[in-house]
Amino acid sequence: AQSVTQLGSHVSVSEGALVLLRCNYSSSVPPYLFWYVQYPNQGLQLLLKYTSAATLVKGINGFEAEFKKSETSFHLTKPSAHMSDAAEYFCAVSDNNDMRFGAGTRLTVKP
Amino acid sequence: NAGVTQTPKFQVLKTGQSMTLQCAQDMNHEYMSWYRQDPGMGLRLIHYSVGAGITDQGEVPNGYNVSRSTTEDFPLRLLSAAPSQTSVYFCASRPDRAAYNEQFFGPGTRLTVL
Repeated sequence: AQSVTQLGSHVSVSEGALVLLRCNYSSSVPPYLFWYVQYPNQGLQLLLKYTSAATLVKGINGFEAEFKKSETSFHLTKPSAHMSDAAEYFCAVSDNNDMRFGAGTRLTVKP
Repeated sequence: NAGVTQTPKFQVLKTGQSMTLQCAQDMNHEYMSWYRQDPGMGLRLIHYSVGAGITDQGEVPNGYNVSRSTTEDFPLRLLSAAPSQTSVYFCASRPDRAAYNEQFFGPGTRLTVL
């Protein structure tokens, strides 16, 4: 079965600093990978997705992620954090039956 | 489009009570799913449906029933609520079962079982 592991349940950065949220996947077939963001008391919103067209994927709000097959990773980055980026972020892997999520990483942005 | 809607937003039940969480989507999506979200565990799939009349179990189906009589609606039933079912429940949909499709999520139902 496919799965994802998110390293670090909490990440804290200063405003303007680099954001790096880590995700590693396990899959026996080429994976379809997603990053979602959840703001407090809301549902999940798609940030970006990898569907094998390009290894560097750009998403909304300045986020991007790079698919690295050799490292089985799909880490999420943003060059400069903004206060509004404070939220919980979920990595997910999908197949034709379901979508499996990581445990999530809560991002805190300090002024 | 309203997207994916869920009712109620909040619910408190006593152990042993039953209830139905409602979910509807107006995007004509074939695939719908139910997840529960618990702290430190991410989202776990309860049940899913690839079309009207077709449902299947996900990762944590015990204690929950579903049916899909129409494309739009996918209710989740708790037959006899237990404290372990205290959680936030999300309904989601995507155009079809193809894995490259993103899922669209509802706003969630926060359920407390006393």
